[in-house]
Amino acid sequence: DAKTTQPNSMESNEEEPVHLPCNHSTISGTDYIHWYRQLPSQGPEYVIHGLTSNVNNRMASLAIAEDRKSSTLILHRATLRDAAVYYCILRDGNSGGYQKVTFGIGTKLQVIP
Amino acid sequence: AAGVIQSPRHLIKEKRETATLKCYPIPRHDTVYWYQQGPGQDPQFLISFYEKMQSDKGSIPDRFSAQQFSDYHSELNMSSLELGDSALYFCASSFVSSHEQYFGPGTRLTVT
Repeated sequence: DAKTTQPNSMESNEEEPVHLPCNHSTISGTDYIHWYRQLPSQGPEYVIHGLTSNVNNRMASLAIAEDRKSSTLILHRATLRDAAVYYCILRDGNSGGYQKVTFGIGTKLQVIP
Repeated sequence: AAGVIQSPRHLIKEKRETATLKCYPIPRHDTVYWYQQGPGQDPQFLISFYEKMQSDKGSIPDRFSAQQFSDYHSELNMSSLELGDSALYFCASSFVSSHEQYFGPGTRLTVT
């Protein structure tokens, strides 16, 4: 499986944008980039996914480098509720359905009031 | 909107006992996944079911078994419990073709 590399931790001030980086230099052409997050004492939560183009949804934006070897999850205005561990995960789009999520070492985001 | 339901939320068992965890997926979701998260660790995939058939298997001990029933709920059965089985157990559900998995709140199992 292609691997991802994320910083262990990051800090952000409340109401400021947050850019969470992820490196995936061995990504294959059919790998989708997914982001999940896990708030304290809760189950993981899907955030966003993309293949080649940048993506936006109500929670965040995903910026994908042109060579797809890195991506950045953007939280436009961090709130205290965004304090969580953020996981960047690659999932093969050719493997069919029912594909597990393989969590690696994510980034623990601390939001400072 | 309905979410994934897991029961019980907390369970305390002694070594060598058995435990059964239940998962009720989001209505109409056809795929269920089980994950284990040990203290201070990231979630690890155990097993999944698609349309009541086992679809994938991860690092699930032989002491554990699981199944998905005709109403799509799933149960994780754990026997000969060990101290190391103490963990959070998450169930997730999705449509097989979807990129999004929806996780339940988890069952915290404590083995004493």
